[in-house]
Amino acid sequence: QVQLVESGGGVVQPGGSLRLSCAASGFTFSSYGMHWVRQAPGKGLEWVAFIRYDGSNKYYADSVKGRFTISRDNSKNTLYLQMNSLRAEDTAVYYCAKDLGQWRPLDYWGQGTLVTVSS
Amino acid sequence: QSVLTQPPSVSAAPGQKVTISCSGSSSNIGNNYVSWYQQLPGTAPKLLIYDNNKRPSGIPDRFSGSKSGTSATLGITGLQTGDEADYYCGTWDSSLSANWVFGGGTKLTVL
Repeated sequence: QVQLVESGGGVVQPGGSLRLSCAASGFTFSSYGMHWVRQAPGKGLEWVAFIRYDGSNKYYADSVKGRFTISRDNSKNTLYLQMNSLRAEDTAVYYCAKDLGQWRPLDYWGQGTLVTVSS
Repeated sequence: QSVLTQPPSVSAAPGQKVTISCSGSSSNIGNNYVSWYQQLPGTAPKLLIYDNNKRPSGIPDRFSGSKSGTSATLGITGLQTGDEADYYCGTWDSSLSANWVFGGGTKLTVL
């Protein structure tokens, strides 16, 4: 069965950096696009970034463009999110999610990892 | 401010029917399929409806979806207390770049 397991969350000071990982199993990782979605405490879902199955194209929300970088290693079945210049408003649970196919919806989600940006 | 507009909350009694609306524009709902997600308290979102009206395996037919123009609707019949959750619509938006967008979410209370 599809499994997505996020890791790398924690507490970081404003201006700091953090790298999240998402380990995938149960499907052919290299055939599917992947997303990062976040949810601030008590708030709704906010899409963060998307990377195509082969890493050829990446897309970002305006709120993170220039600060976050999505990447993947298909040989390791792992998705990454490098987060730099972190701000208090980046505090959220970060979920990775698999897509159903090219330009299709998100279908499976991980359990999330909490990132707290605070001094 | 979300790109897709949903009512903040809806409520109904057990056994009743409820609908949740999702309003967008031609750059998102008007030209793309809509999906719906259910987020139970303290858990990750789960895909409920995709391609406007299709249900993934394991989703009961009490849940249905429809789309007309730049709006979509999620319907839930035979409400159960276990349906109390936050519901989000989502779709691709091609206004500037290829971004996925969510509605602000609707809290369903089963009275």
